[in-house]
Amino acid sequence: QVQLQQSGPGLVKPSQTLSLTCAISGDSVSSTSASWSWIRQSPSRGLEWLGRTYFRSKWYNDYAVSVKSRITVNPDTSKNQYSLELNSVTPEDTAVYYCARKSVGLTFDYWGQGTQVTVSS
Amino acid sequence: EIVMTQSPATLSVSPGERATLSCRASQSVSSNLAWYQQKPGQAPRLLIYGASTRATGIPARFSGSGSGTEFTLTISSLQSEDFAVYYCQQYNNWPPGTFGGGTKVEIK
Repeated sequence: QVQLQQSGPGLVKPSQTLSLTCAISGDSVSSTSASWSWIRQSPSRGLEWLGRTYFRSKWYNDYAVSVKSRITVNPDTSKNQYSLELNSVTPEDTAVYYCARKSVGLTFDYWGQGTQVTVSS
Repeated sequence: EIVMTQSPATLSVSPGERATLSCRASQSVSSNLAWYQQKPGQAPRLLIYGASTRATGIPARFSGSGSGTEFTLTISSLQSEDFAVYYCQQYNNWPPGTFGGGTKVEIK
């Protein structure tokens, strides 16, 4: 059974960097049949996919246009986890952040528990 | 970007009744359409993928249909645990794989 366990702070100051980690059990971040995404949810923006990392003989990343200049998603194979960094945050980045697995040919089949992140001074 | 539009925004249904939820895509997504259920304080849970295939462990009272731009999620006989918000999501144009705004199914 795949499980995704999120960790990271729930409060970030404006202009600083939001950092979250998603620990994977029951699968591998290096799997060639899955990709590993971050998705956020807010009342104003709904469910919004932010970015992903995946391995297909080498590592790849894709990012949403809305955050492309501010986001980094990195794998950590030694800990079987991946991370999200979103820099220069503003109150508009306040949301519940989820990590999620997408299997090849399928869609988001496993999700983390969610982390409420508030951007406030 | 493909826009997903769900209707109605809120659906009031009595337990045991049928619920029919709609999802429309701004352009064809073939059958690459999923439905999720979300309860307060929880992550979305995958119900249906490929427009009509139930995910593992999903009861048979949940069924999906449609292709192209028009899709439907039907809950044949609502149970108390089915009152929640339901989202559709297209993954034909992936990434980003856009989500609809949701339909809240509430007790009538």
